[in-house]
Amino acid sequence: NAGVTQTPKFRVLKTGQSMTLLCAQDMNHEYMYWYRQDPGMGLRLIHYSVGEGTTAKGEVPDGYNVSRLKKQNFLLGLESAAPSQTSVYFCASSYARAQETQYFGPGTRLLVL
Amino acid sequence: QKEVEQDPGPLSVPEGAIVSLNCTYSNSAFQYFMWYRQYSRKGPELLMYTYSSGNKEDGRFTAQVDKSSKYISLFIRDSQPSDSATYLCAMSRNYGGSQGNLIFGKGTKLSVKP
Repeated sequence: NAGVTQTPKFRVLKTGQSMTLLCAQDMNHEYMYWYRQDPGMGLRLIHYSVGEGTTAKGEVPDGYNVSRLKKQNFLLGLESAAPSQTSVYFCASSYARAQETQYFGPGTRLLVL
Repeated sequence: QKEVEQDPGPLSVPEGAIVSLNCTYSNSAFQYFMWYRQYSRKGPELLMYTYSSGNKEDGRFTAQVDKSSKYISLFIRDSQPSDSATYLCAMSRNYGGSQGNLIFGKGTKLSVKP
């Protein structure tokens, strides 16, 4: 099993460009999450999904959109990237609730110039 | 005041030392407490999980929760260079729903010197 994978690993964007980050999990988990991790800020939840076809806002959702069309995939979109979105993005999944073990992907490093 | 406070360190100890990592929190509704370990340029992985108050031990690791003081700790005995990582505390309120989402501390960077 690959666990949680993220694509791409690293990306440089110019301000105003758009992109989609892909997260895939092969553990048949119901819950999936997108976090961002910034120095001095810790991990903050952007959006999450409690099942296929459902999404919900987390702590810092502005500037991001998500979709969960298939159970195993969770996409994070940036429609118009801003330098403030420079960060490391982690996807995670859990079998059910957030308190259960969350399995994290390796992260995507995004630099917005 | 942030909901969860964690000293970012860095903390440097010699091999074999006992390490104490701590978090304080302000919301008395938190019931679920976790410690995640994150190696450099990797995703976090769950290390310890505790519900409500008390102690939990797993090998060289002990997690302690003191709800009356709103204080949680992670102790590492006989620390090894392989324990060098960033340790993140995380906690949540209800089991499910939006209040079930985890609130993370900023993480403490630990370095164990041989």
